[in-house]
Amino acid sequence: NAGVTQTPKFQVLKTGQSMTLQCAQDMNHEYMSWYRQDPGMGLRLIHYSVGAGITDQGEVPNGYNVSRSTTEDFPLRLLSAAPSQTSVYFCASSYSRTGEQYFGPGTRLTVT
Amino acid sequence: TQLLEQSPQFLSIQEGENLTVYCNSSSVFSSLQWYRQEPGEGPVLLVTVVTGGEVKKLKRLTFQFGDARKDSSLHITAAQPGDTGLYLCADPFAGGTSYGKLTFGQGTILTVHP
Repeated sequence: NAGVTQTPKFQVLKTGQSMTLQCAQDMNHEYMSWYRQDPGMGLRLIHYSVGAGITDQGEVPNGYNVSRSTTEDFPLRLLSAAPSQTSVYFCASSYSRTGEQYFGPGTRLTVT
Repeated sequence: TQLLEQSPQFLSIQEGENLTVYCNSSSVFSSLQWYRQEPGEGPVLLVTVVTGGEVKKLKRLTFQFGDARKDSSLHITAAQPGDTGLYLCADPFAGGTSYGKLTFGQGTILTVHP
């Protein structure tokens, strides 16, 4: 099993550009989520999904969109990048509502 | 949203020393997870505590869950450079619901010097 994979690993965007961060898992997990990690703030939840076709907002959803058309994939879209979105983004999946979360290696995004 | 307060935020110690990291909340935890994150990687689960007063051991790491389930601690005995990393506590029941998502504390950055 590859676990949770994320691409790209690094990305630099200019303000106003859009892009999609890819996330895939091969563990057949129903639950998937996106977090951003900023210095001194731990990880904050952006969006999450409880299964294909079902998504909801987390703590910091503004400026991001998600969709979940398959169990395996959960892409995160930045609609119009802003410098405040400079961060490290982690995708995670879980086999149960309260179980262990498996994290991808992260995408380091810089918006100039 | 339940807030998780971790302390200290930074910890720099010498190899062989002992240390304790704390995670506190004003509300009761249904359960609590501890993760460790190494530079350039995602967090990895260390342990889940569920029962008030529970103590779990993982080699040199000892995890305690407070009797009232409002606090937890992680104690490392004889720290080694390989213990260096970010330690995070996380609540899977934030907001009273659980849908495969976590609320994290700010984290404790531990550096163990040889």
